[in-house]
Amino acid sequence: DAGITQSPRHKVTETGTPVTLRCHQTENHRYMYWYRQDPGHGLRLIHYSYGVKDTDKGEVSDGYSVSRSKTEDFLLTLESATSSQTSVYFCAISESFVGLGETGNEQFFGPGTRLTVL
Amino acid sequence: QKEVEQNSGPLSVPEGAIASLNCTYSDRGSQSFFWYRQYSGKSPELIMSIYSNGDKEDGRFTAQLNKASQYVSLLIRDSQPSDSATYLCAVPKIQGAQKLVFGQGTRLTINP
Repeated sequence: DAGITQSPRHKVTETGTPVTLRCHQTENHRYMYWYRQDPGHGLRLIHYSYGVKDTDKGEVSDGYSVSRSKTEDFLLTLESATSSQTSVYFCAISESFVGLGETGNEQFFGPGTRLTVL
Repeated sequence: QKEVEQNSGPLSVPEGAIASLNCTYSDRGSQSFFWYRQYSGKSPELIMSIYSNGDKEDGRFTAQLNKASQYVSLLIRDSQPSDSATYLCAVPKIQGAQKLVFGQGTRLTINP
C-alpha cells in the first residue's frame, strides 16, 4: 500500500459521537486525500490537503473536517456521526496534484477503514 | 453526461481470453488517465497510467487512449481467475475544481 496506513481499520460507533480517522504515510508525498466509497456512488472525494495546514473541500465535505499538522499525518473527523456516514473510508497520497503535468500525480491508496454508525 | 462512464458489468470472460474494459470521459482538458483494480474488500490498486494517445503495454495489460474520442480502454490478455476484480477508470477533472474523478467500476469475472 505504498507506505500508507490507516487507523482504525474497523470501527463501530453510535449516532452523535465524534469519530477521528487517521492516515499516516512514509512516502513524504505532498498531497493527501480522503475518499468514501459506497455502493452505487463509487469513490467520492471528501477533503484533500496540499501541504501542512493546507486543506480544501471535496465534493462530499459536509459533516467532515480535516487537519494536517505534519506531512505524514492527515486526520478526518466526523464531528457528530450519522448513519449516512456509514461507509468505507480510503486515504490516498500523491506527489503532485491532479492535472499538473504528466507524471507524479498518480494516487496511491491506503487499506481503508470500515466505519459503521448505528 | 457523467464525467467518467464505465459499463458496470458484470463482465464474464473465459480463462485465457482477452478481457476488454472501456471508459469514456467528458473533460477534454484531461491529460492523464488511470486504471485501478479493486478486489472485494480491498483498496484500489493502481495498475496502469497513460498520458499519450495510443497504446501502453505492461505485461498482460494494455491501456489504449484516444483523446479525440475521449475514450480509454484496458485490455487484459491471457485472463486469469486472479484478474477477477472491479476495475476503476480515473480521469482528472480540469475545469472547475480539480480532482480525480472515478468511474463506477466494471466488475470482471474470469471463468476457469
